[in-house]
Amino acid sequence: KNQVEQSPQSLIILEGKNCTLQCNYTVSPFSNLRWYKQDTGRGPVSLTIMTFSENTKSNGRYTATLDADTKQSSLHITASQLSDSASYICVVRASGTYKYIFGTGTRLKVLA
Amino acid sequence: EAGVAQSPRYKIIEKRQSVAFWCNPISGHATLYWYQQILGQGPKLLIQFQNNGVVDDSQLPKDRFSAERLKGVDSTLKIQPAKLEDSAVYLCASSPTSGTGGLYGYTFGSGTRLTVV
Repeated sequence: KNQVEQSPQSLIILEGKNCTLQCNYTVSPFSNLRWYKQDTGRGPVSLTIMTFSENTKSNGRYTATLDADTKQSSLHITASQLSDSASYICVVRASGTYKYIFGTGTRLKVLA
Repeated sequence: EAGVAQSPRYKIIEKRQSVAFWCNPISGHATLYWYQQILGQGPKLLIQFQNNGVVDDSQLPKDRFSAERLKGVDSTLKIQPAKLEDSAVYLCASSPTSGTGGLYGYTFGSGTRLTVV
C-alpha cells in the first residue's frame, strides 16, 4: 500500500535554531517527492520538488534530501524564523499516475 | 501566471444546509483535484478530473457530495446536506499532464474553510 509517514508529528524550537523533519514513504514506483509549507487556513505552498536522481535540493533556508534506496527524505530548516511556524507536508507521486500521496504533516512552532 | 483561484474563502452554514465551492484552475491545466483537509490532518483526495472526465472519485461521499467540471475548466464542489463532520478546508489543485509542467506545475489554491454548526 502506498503510504507516506512523517515525523515528528509536532515540534517546538526557539528562533534561530535548526531543525530536521523526516518523511518515509512506501510509494512505488516512485516519481517525485515534494515538501510543502502550509500556513494555518491557507493552501500548501511548494518548497522543493525532487526526482529519483536528485539527492539534495535547497530553497533558501530549506534543504531537502532524498535517499531513494531507503525511501527516506528529510527537510532541514536553518536559522529558523517565527514565520517558519506552519505545517510541513511531504507528498509523493507514483510514477505513471497523477495521484499524490500525502503525509499527515509536521506542525512546527518557532518561539521567540 | 495567475494561480488557482477558489471562492469563497470562508463559509459558515448550519447542518443540513447546502453549500457550493468554486475553483478556477491555472489556464491550460488539464487535471483538477479537490481535497478535504480536516484540522490537523493531511489533505484527502475527494475527486480528480482529467479535463471534464472523472479519473478518481473513490473517496467522495457520493450520498452528499457532488462535483462537476462541465467545460474542462472551472469546477464546483457541492455538499448537500452538510454534516458537522464536513467542517474542513476544501482545497483545489491543478496540474498540467505532460512534460516538466507535470512535474513543477502542480499548484494549490488557498482553500475554502467550511464550518458547519
